[in-house]
Amino acid sequence: AQSVTQPDIHITVSEGASLELRCNYSYGATPYLFWYVQSPGQGLQLLLKYFSGDTLVQGIKGFEAEFKRSQSSFNLRKPSVHWSDAAEYFCAVGLNQGGKLIFGQGTELSVKP
Amino acid sequence: ETGVTQSPTHLIKTRGQQVTLRCSSQSGHNTVSWYQQALGQGPQFIFQYYREEENGRGNFPPRFSGLQFPNYSSELNVNALELDDSALYLCASSLVGQPGYGYTFGSGTRLTVV
Repeated sequence: AQSVTQPDIHITVSEGASLELRCNYSYGATPYLFWYVQSPGQGLQLLLKYFSGDTLVQGIKGFEAEFKRSQSSFNLRKPSVHWSDAAEYFCAVGLNQGGKLIFGQGTELSVKP
Repeated sequence: ETGVTQSPTHLIKTRGQQVTLRCSSQSGHNTVSWYQQALGQGPQFIFQYYREEENGRGNFPPRFSGLQFPNYSSELNVNALELDDSALYLCASSLVGQPGYGYTFGSGTRLTVV
């Protein structure tokens, strides 16, 4: 069965430090890959997505992610974290265009001053 | 362009009751999906509607049902509510056939079953 794993439930980083959130997926082919961010009590905002082509994708708010087929990973990175980045981050896999999304359990990011 | 709007934002129901949640899709989108997000969990796919018909369903019982209307708005109905139905319900719309598709999510309806 297809699945998405986010190994880190909670991460704390200092403001200005770099960030990497991990995401691994289990699927036989190359899926559509997404990262969403959710602030408390809010819906999901799309940060970036990968369908094909360049494996390093740029998103909003200074985030980027790299697709590594050999590792079945799609890790999210940001070179310098801001206090406003504190939120829950979800990695998701889409198995076909227009189909359902399978989400990981999320990583909660805390930012300390 | 308008985003996805959901109503109500919060709702409290008693076990055994029925509830209807509503969603207005983003302008120009033709597909709507519903997700259930329990506290501390990632969203779980409930079902998807395209051209007013259900075209995909997750592991949810038949008491979860839905509708999509000609204007692409949608309803999620849940009968015989159980305590475990307490969750944030998210609606997402997309445009099938658009290259580089992505889902736009609403802010959700927080349902509490007591």
